[in-house]
Amino acid sequence: DTGVSQNPRHKITKRGQNVTFRCDPISEHNRLYWYRQTLGQGPEFLTYFQNEAQLEKSRLLSDRFSAERPKGSFSTLEIQRTEQGDSAMYLCASSPANYEQYFGPGTRLTVT
Amino acid sequence: DQQVKQNSPSLSVQEGRISILNCDYTNSMFDYFLWYKKYPAEGPTFLISISSIKDKNEDGRFTVFLNKSAKHLSLHIVPSQPGDSAVYFCAASDGAGSYQLTFGKGTKLSVIP
Repeated sequence: DTGVSQNPRHKITKRGQNVTFRCDPISEHNRLYWYRQTLGQGPEFLTYFQNEAQLEKSRLLSDRFSAERPKGSFSTLEIQRTEQGDSAMYLCASSPANYEQYFGPGTRLTVT
Repeated sequence: DQQVKQNSPSLSVQEGRISILNCDYTNSMFDYFLWYKKYPAEGPTFLISISSIKDKNEDGRFTVFLNKSAKHLSLHIVPSQPGDSAVYFCAASDGAGSYQLTFGKGTKLSVIP
């Protein structure tokens, strides 16, 4: 399977803990995106990488969130000091430098 | 402020009939529109797209229509099949910088056998 993969698929954590998610994009895609989706809403843009450079961040991305794409391949999204409001589906997408984005299965985060 | 609106949370259609899903947008800078389909516990799957320079794009059973003056687009599925039952998201991009997508809240389509 050469689609976008995300790990873990599910994560349950206690409030105040740190969590890290990983995304492996489609190999030839140089654009990588993170979105967050909560119940009853569509995905909301968080941040964007072109190769290893993080070029855009949403105002939704508080200081507790950090994302990296160290070699322009896989990416990680870390949330520090998690809060209950961080509970959501975190989606990664990649794109070959056009409008169409291809999504992974997502990581569902539950903060208790 | 919702820039992309899908005003019907749900739609039920008989198998074999046409499904019409609607989407409205407010940002006149949007120049590319996409439809995604999402099954439970999976990520959104790209379905079909249309550039603002066109008014129609067709791919098999799926056709997207764009009315720029009304800031409205629709997705037609003909004929509808039970496997089409899913949540459909309308998304738009203004092509600036990141090409980030702005999504609507989705419409849950149920195709009844």
